[in-house]
Amino acid sequence: SQKIEQNSEALNIQEGKTATLTCNYTNYSPAYLQWYRQDPGRGPVFLLLIRENEKEKRKERLKVTFDTTLKQSLFHITASQPADSATYLCALEAGSYQLTFGKGTKLSVIP
Amino acid sequence: GAGVSQSPSNKVTEKGKDVELRCDPISGHTALYWYRQSLGQGLEFLIYFQGNSAPDKSGLPSDRFSAERTGGSVSTLTIQRTQQEDSAVYLCASSQNPRQPISGNTIYFGEGSWLTVV
Repeated sequence: SQKIEQNSEALNIQEGKTATLTCNYTNYSPAYLQWYRQDPGRGPVFLLLIRENEKEKRKERLKVTFDTTLKQSLFHITASQPADSATYLCALEAGSYQLTFGKGTKLSVIP
Repeated sequence: GAGVSQSPSNKVTEKGKDVELRCDPISGHTALYWYRQSLGQGLEFLIYFQGNSAPDKSGLPSDRFSAERTGGSVSTLTIQRTQQEDSAVYLCASSQNPRQPISGNTIYFGEGSWLTVV
């Protein structure tokens, strides 16, 4: 069966360090993968999209990698700040253009 | 509008009552999605509308759930005979035509309708 797994439910990290979140998937062949941020009580907000032919994508302090052989994406936040504390979701297209989301990783950046 | 608008933002209803949740997508977006998020859980796909095509209802959990999209714009999610397990945040999202490869089907979420069934 198809699965999207974000391997940590929660991740605590010291301010200034690099946070690395993982998204693994099975039985998908996605053309692209997306990352979203969700704050408590709010809807998810799109952050980055990476296509299957791209190894890496950057946006300010964010970096996403996509390894279609390993079926894995890594999401990095460099020089993390308390304001980066949120839940981060990865998402894949699951056919018919619907997006299927992982359960998310709750990141806490400790001052 | 500027973003996806959902109403009501909060709804408390008695078990067995019907509820209607409304979503107004971003103007020009042809695709509309409903997701459900229970406390501490991930996003659960419910239904997807794309233009005039038949909706993808594969995520609806039971026949008590239905959704309509009128005129290719506003959508209403209806839950009949609500149960306590229906308590969740119901999130609506919209996107440009996902068949446009450049968009990569980025979807834009509303803030959700928080449903509590007591």
